Amino acid sequence: DAKTTQPNSMESNEEEPVHLPCNHSTISGTDYIHWYRQLPSQGPEYVIHGLTSNVNNRMASLAIAEDRKSSTLILHRATLRDAAVYYCILRATSGTYKYIFGTGTRLKVLA
Amino acid sequence: DTGVSQDPRHKITKRGQNVTFRCDPISEHNRLYWYRQTLGQGPEFLTYFQNEAQLEKSRLLSDRFSAERPKGSFSTLEIQRTEQGDSAMYLCASSLEAPNAEAFFGQGTRLTVV
Repeated sequence: DAKTTQPNSMESNEEEPVHLPCNHSTISGTDYIHWYRQLPSQGPEYVIHGLTSNVNNRMASLAIAEDRKSSTLILHRATLRDAAVYYCILRATSGTYKYIFGTGTRLKVLA
Repeated sequence: DTGVSQDPRHKITKRGQNVTFRCDPISEHNRLYWYRQTLGQGPEFLTYFQNEAQLEKSRLLSDRFSAERPKGSFSTLEIQRTEQGDSAMYLCASSLEAPNAEAFFGQGTRLTVV
């Protein structure tokens, strides 16, 4: 299974943008990059995903490096409700379809 | 609420007892996944179903663990002869078959083995 590497923790001030990095140097050409977040005492929640191009949705933006070996989740204005563990996941499009989670990045948002 | 639901939310059992958890996925989702999560760790994959077929099982899933999805709808995860090391949050997720489909997770069943 392809692996991802994320910083253990990050801090941000409220109302400021947050850039959460993820390295995935062993990504294969057909792996999708997914991001999920997990709030305390809840199951993971989908945030965004992409393949090659940058993606935007109402929650966040995903910037994917040209060589696809890294990506960055961007929260444009962090709020206290964004404090969570953020997971970067590679999902294969053939063979196994499981989502493989790493240890994620714990985001702390300071008021 | 049409999300993924899991029952029970909490279970305390004595070591050696059997426990069974239930997961009701989103109705049109044909893929269903089970994960286990311990404190401070990300969810670990256990098994997944496409409709009623169990297509993959993790090496983490010892012979004390069994999962079923008899009619391709709800699923059960049974743990026989529970051990203290089985204490964890058990998460269920479902998704459509499309390779870029997002997974929707339930809130989990927290198991405590005493």
